[in-house]
Amino acid sequence: AQKVTQAQTEISVVEKEDVTLDCVYETRDTTYYLFWYKQPPSGELVFLIRRNSFDEQNEISGRYSWNFQKSTSSFNFTITASQVVDSAVYFCALRGLTGGFKTIFGAGTRLFVKA
Amino acid sequence: NAGVTQTPKFQVLKTGQSMTLQCAQDMNHEYMSWYRQDPGMGLRLIHYSVGAGITDQGEVPNGYNVSRSTTEDFPLRLLSAAPSQTSVYFCASSYRRDRELEQYFGPGTRLTVT
Repeated sequence: AQKVTQAQTEISVVEKEDVTLDCVYETRDTTYYLFWYKQPPSGELVFLIRRNSFDEQNEISGRYSWNFQKSTSSFNFTITASQVVDSAVYFCALRGLTGGFKTIFGAGTRLFVKA
Repeated sequence: NAGVTQTPKFQVLKTGQSMTLQCAQDMNHEYMSWYRQDPGMGLRLIHYSVGAGITDQGEVPNGYNVSRSTTEDFPLRLLSAAPSQTSVYFCASSYRRDRELEQYFGPGTRLTVT
């Protein structure tokens, strides 16, 4: 069975602080894909990044960075110098090779960035 | 391209009523899915389809039916609505040929069952 755990339900930071959102996953597949999505207060789901299980290279995109560690089954997301516009719910998701084409989401982490 | 569209945006039903949530995509995506979003529970997969004529159950399929007669459309049917089905429903689609590709989500349908 596949599972995604986002243990942090809510995080509150002050603008310009760095914040890391944790994601731990479980899968028996040796090939799998991980995703992060953002859901701002307006409600739509916005794709942020994808990573396959063979690519452990960390990625940086502006103030966003992702740390993928297969050894700990984690795919953490860091926002550097957070801004009020970063306030949103962030979801981590997993898609394996077994079980069809299903993508399983974590419960999400709600991030509040205060001015 | 309109992307993934969902109708209606809002709906109020009484217990026992039936309705269909519509989802359409114009990107020729083979894979489509329905999720429900409830506070503290993230997005839970209801049903999904890997192509026209093929559907399968997700994590929480009870109380919902789907069909996929065309590549473009993937309606979700509630046969007898219950208050437990009050939720926000998202439809999503993606290419099947590359599992690495992300899903595109519709704007959601907010359903209230009284």
